[in-house]
Amino acid sequence: NAGVTQTPKFQVLKTGQSMTLQCAQDMNHNSMYWYRQDPGMGLRLIYYSASEGTTDKGEVPNGYNVSRLNKREFSLRLESAAPSQTSVYFCASRISGASTETQYFGPGTRLLVL
Amino acid sequence: DQQVKQNSPSLSVQEGRISILNCDYTNSMFDYFLWYKKYPAEGPTFLISISSIKDKNEDGRFTVFLNKSAKHLSLHIVPSQPGDSAVYFCAARGFGQNFVFGPGTRLSVLP
Repeated sequence: NAGVTQTPKFQVLKTGQSMTLQCAQDMNHNSMYWYRQDPGMGLRLIYYSASEGTTDKGEVPNGYNVSRLNKREFSLRLESAAPSQTSVYFCASRISGASTETQYFGPGTRLLVL
Repeated sequence: DQQVKQNSPSLSVQEGRISILNCDYTNSMFDYFLWYKKYPAEGPTFLISISSIKDKNEDGRFTVFLNKSAKHLSLHIVPSQPGDSAVYFCAARGFGQNFVFGPGTRLSVLP
């Protein structure tokens, strides 16, 4: 049981290049999330997927696209990377119920855009 | 404008004493609040949560208090241990499944 996994762990891009960040969870959760963390700003929600086949914008969606490939996988794509997208990206899956509300986070992808 | 605020960027506490981390929010529609702990180079890990219909939730050494009228919550850690040294994030659940995080407070527990 690996929980939430993310690949790659670290990536350097040049401005204008594209890449896809991969995320997978093995906990059979319906909801998955992509956040970015910048110094002094906490985590900001980019996109989320409440269930397979649905995606919604979060607080900072510009410059990103997502795909909920199946229940396990939720990818984040940067079509044309910009230096402002230098950040640490976290994927999370969520479980909630009558008395439960928890997100499980992956280890993060550190992205540097030159 | 930050909807979830953690006004203390850092806090130092002696081992064995109580740590109190504070969080303020502006949106009265938030209905669930969570605390996460984060070590360097790792993802955040869930600590404890509280529904907006409650005013206290306890789990071992961790207790969260919610004051809805003041739009304020706090996390108490008793007793504090060196392994508690980390960045603590407060988060709130908003409309739908949207979550808003505070900027974090770095806790240092001194031996």
